[in-house]
Amino acid sequence: EVQLVQSEAAVRKPGESLKISCQVSGYIFTDYYIAWVRQMPGKGLEWMGIIYPDDSNTRYSPSFEGQVTFSVDKAIKTAYLQWNSLKASDTATYFCARPNIPPQGYFDYWGQGTRVTVFS
Amino acid sequence: EIVMTQSPATLSVSPGERATLSCRASQRIYGNLAWYQQKPGQAPRLLMYGVSTRAIGIPDRFSGGGSGTEYTLTISSLQSEDFAVYYCQHYNNWPLMCSFGQGTKLEIK
Repeated sequence: EVQLVQSEAAVRKPGESLKISCQVSGYIFTDYYIAWVRQMPGKGLEWMGIIYPDDSNTRYSPSFEGQVTFSVDKAIKTAYLQWNSLKASDTATYFCARPNIPPQGYFDYWGQGTRVTVFS
Repeated sequence: EIVMTQSPATLSVSPGERATLSCRASQRIYGNLAWYQQKPGQAPRLLMYGVSTRAIGIPDRFSGGGSGTEYTLTISSLQSEDFAVYYCQHYNNWPLMCSFGQGTKLEIK
């Protein structure tokens, strides 16, 4: 059974760093890209970009380029989304998802989401 | 960037009735369209891809159609579990693209 399990909710202050995770199981991690999707409170879905676990090749949406960093650890089949300096506007739920058709198809499996709250 | 526009923003329908949700692309998207359902506090769930192919486990009261820039999701006889927010998504590999519509909230009338 394919599963994407994300890390727990996080609360941080502006300026702090954060790294959230998405651990996969049930399929070969390096065969599929992983995408990250943001959902701000009460709003819609925004595609942030994708990473290819096999070689860590990344593509960021222009809206998120330079704001976040994607990475993976192949040994533990985990993808990461990282911020070096959080802003209040980063408050959102973040989903990882698997594009069915590499690199960017429709998303057939999703993580449960990680809620990130940034406030002073 | 291709912009996806969904209408209406909110649709009020009675259980047992038919609901039709619309999604318009700013350019032709050649059938690279998916639909998702999202309930409060949950991740989105894939309903439809390639315009009209139902994902695994999706009942046949859900159907998708359209071409070019205009697409629809139809739910033939609404069940209580169908009231949720629905998103369309354009996806493309070359050039790499992914964009979502802003969502349609389907609520009980």
